[in-house]
Amino acid sequence: DAGVTQSPTHLIKTRGQQVTLRCSPKSGHDTVSWYQQALGQGPQFIFQYYEEEERQRGNFPDRFSGHQFPNYSSELNVNALLLGDSALYLCASSLAWVTTEAFFGQGTRLTVV
Amino acid sequence: AQRVTQPEKLLSVFKGAPVELKCNYSYSGSPELFWYVQYSRQRLQLLLRHISRESIKGFTADLNKGETSFHLKKPFAQEEDSAMYYCALSTDTGNQFYFGTGTSLTVIP
Repeated sequence: DAGVTQSPTHLIKTRGQQVTLRCSPKSGHDTVSWYQQALGQGPQFIFQYYEEEERQRGNFPDRFSGHQFPNYSSELNVNALLLGDSALYLCASSLAWVTTEAFFGQGTRLTVV
Repeated sequence: AQRVTQPEKLLSVFKGAPVELKCNYSYSGSPELFWYVQYSRQRLQLLLRHISRESIKGFTADLNKGETSFHLKKPFAQEEDSAMYYCALSTDTGNQFYFGTGTSLTVIP
């Protein structure tokens, strides 16, 4: 089991562009959460997907959207990129949406220039 | 609103010395508290959670609801303990985590 995999590992985008990040959960996991980790900060919760629906959302603008596919993989989309969106984006998978251990991916480093 | 505070960004201790990483939280409901660790060039991984009351790699953490704290302790630090440590809280409404800003622990040989 490869665990949680994210792609790409690094990405450079221009301000105003749109970006899509991808996540494959750990085998058997059905819930995917996304986090943004700015430099020197802890991860901040963006949203969580379960059964292909957004179940929980953190304090992020609508420019951040997502999707979960029937195979439980997920995408994070960010529109109209700002310089402040530069961060490490982490995906975490877990089983069901009750409190349990979450497994994190290596993250995607997004740089907006 | 929920909040996790780790007052020390950097902490250095000598090998064999005791280590304590502080974590305080605020949440009006019944939280679950976790410690996550990130070793150099590795992904974030769970170290321990308060409900399991386990000791992982010699680390323990006790939830003190009166002081709203969940400090991480180890009696004898090892060089391999050098890493970034994050305290995290999960609410009773779902398993999203609220992280502190992290403490970078360096164990000096």
